[in-house]
Amino acid sequence: RKEVEQDPGPFNVPEGATVAFNCTYSNSASQSFFWYRQDCRKEPKLLMSVYSSGNEDGRFTAQLNRASQYISLLIRDSKLSDSATYLCVGKNDYKLSFGAGTTVTVRA
Amino acid sequence: DAGVTQSPTHLIKTRGQQVTLRCSPKSGHDTVSWYQQALGQGPQFIFQYYEEEERQRGNFPDRFSGHQFPNYSSELNVNALLLGDSALYLCASSLSRTSGGTSTDTQYFGPGTRLTVL
Repeated sequence: RKEVEQDPGPFNVPEGATVAFNCTYSNSASQSFFWYRQDCRKEPKLLMSVYSSGNEDGRFTAQLNRASQYISLLIRDSKLSDSATYLCVGKNDYKLSFGAGTTVTVRA
Repeated sequence: DAGVTQSPTHLIKTRGQQVTLRCSPKSGHDTVSWYQQALGQGPQFIFQYYEEEERQRGNFPDRFSGHQFPNYSSELNVNALLLGDSALYLCASSLSRTSGGTSTDTQYFGPGTRLTVL
C-alpha cells in the first residue's frame, strides 16, 4: 500500500468555480504535511504547508485531519493558471512521501 | 538568490551503463535530497545527504549511490542501468541547521534531469 493515496482526477472545472480534493496517508508517524503543485514536465513547487488547525493562503485552504489520516485542499475562484497536478506530501524524519497527484484543469 | 540547479538537463544512456547526475543546492542550504519520478507517478525518495553523509535512504538498490561535497553540492550515481531507471531525477535542497527560526521542513526542488535508458 502506498504511503500517500490521491484521487488522480482529472477535475475539470470552469473559471471561478471551487474545487476540492483529498488525500489519505497510512503512516501515522508522519510529522508534517504539504501540498506541492507540479506543472507538466516541471519540478514540484511548494504550494503550502498543512496544519491541524487548518490554514489559508489566498484562494487556497488546506486542512489536516490526523484522526482520519486525510488531508484536503480547496481552491476558490479557480483561475486558468491553477491548472496543474497537485501533489499531497507527508514528511517522516527527513523523507518526503508523495502521492501520485491530482490533476486539475480549469477551463475558460 | 540562486535556486537549485541540476545538470545535465537530459541524458540518454544504454542498459548496463553508469550515469552521474549533479545538483547544486539553493544558496544557504546545506542538505540535499534525491528523488526519482517515473511518468504518471509522484517523486520517490532515494536518499538525503547532510554533512557529506547519507542520512536517510529510501527503498532503492545499492546501484544508486551518492555523494555530497564540502560546498554542499551533490552527485547521484546509478550503476548498471536498467530500462526501468528511465525517469525524471529531482534534487531538493533544504536547511538542516536552523538559523533565526528558519524552517527545516521545506524542500525546494531543482528542474530535474530527465534520464532515458535504451
